Amino acid sequence: TQLLEQSPQFLSIQEGENLTVYCNSSSVFSSLQWYRQEPGEGPVLLVTVVTGGEVKKLKRLTFQFGDARKDSSLHITAAQPGDTGLYLCAGAPMNRDDKIIFGKGTRLHILP
Amino acid sequence: DVKVTQSSRYLVKRTGEKVFLECVQDMDHENMFWYRQDPGLGLRLIYFSYDVKMKEKGDIPEGYSVSREKKERFSLILESASTNQTSMYLCASSWPGTGHQPQHFGDGTRLSIL
Repeated sequence: TQLLEQSPQFLSIQEGENLTVYCNSSSVFSSLQWYRQEPGEGPVLLVTVVTGGEVKKLKRLTFQFGDARKDSSLHITAAQPGDTGLYLCAGAPMNRDDKIIFGKGTRLHILP
Repeated sequence: DVKVTQSSRYLVKRTGEKVFLECVQDMDHENMFWYRQDPGLGLRLIYFSYDVKMKEKGDIPEGYSVSREKKERFSLILESASTNQTSMYLCASSWPGTGHQPQHFGDGTRLSIL
């Protein structure tokens, strides 16, 4: 069974600080997606990374796919209260008939 | 923008009732999914569908059924609601081709079974 482990589970930091959250697996994925879920809403796709070693930037958010396509990280620079939410990673298995796999998420709280 | 609409944001039902959760998407997506989301357990797939009148069991189908009579609508049915089915239910849709295609989620239905 393929699993995606996200760490930390919870993170509470002050506005302006930098942070990194992780998504790890022992399995190889063909691509990996990051979603953010705000309270009372469904998850919204932030980015998809496809190539090993790929780095994508979305304003203050930097996403990296590991060289071996088993892990990914999300780095936020100068966190703001609007970054508060649940960050979910989701891996697409190499077998395209298999379903996408979600991690349990990192709950991030940015204190003003 | 893709719009996935779930019929209710909050729902309170009693044990033993038959409960219907409705989901409609407006992007002509072939794929539709039902998840439940619980603290500490993450998103768990209940059922999914890759075409009209087609359904496949996910990881936790027990106690649930689904219906997809039209492409845009995917219904989740709790045959006889129980308290352990109290949860946040999320519907999603995507283009065909598993894996790479991002899923577009509704805002969820928070269901309480008393």
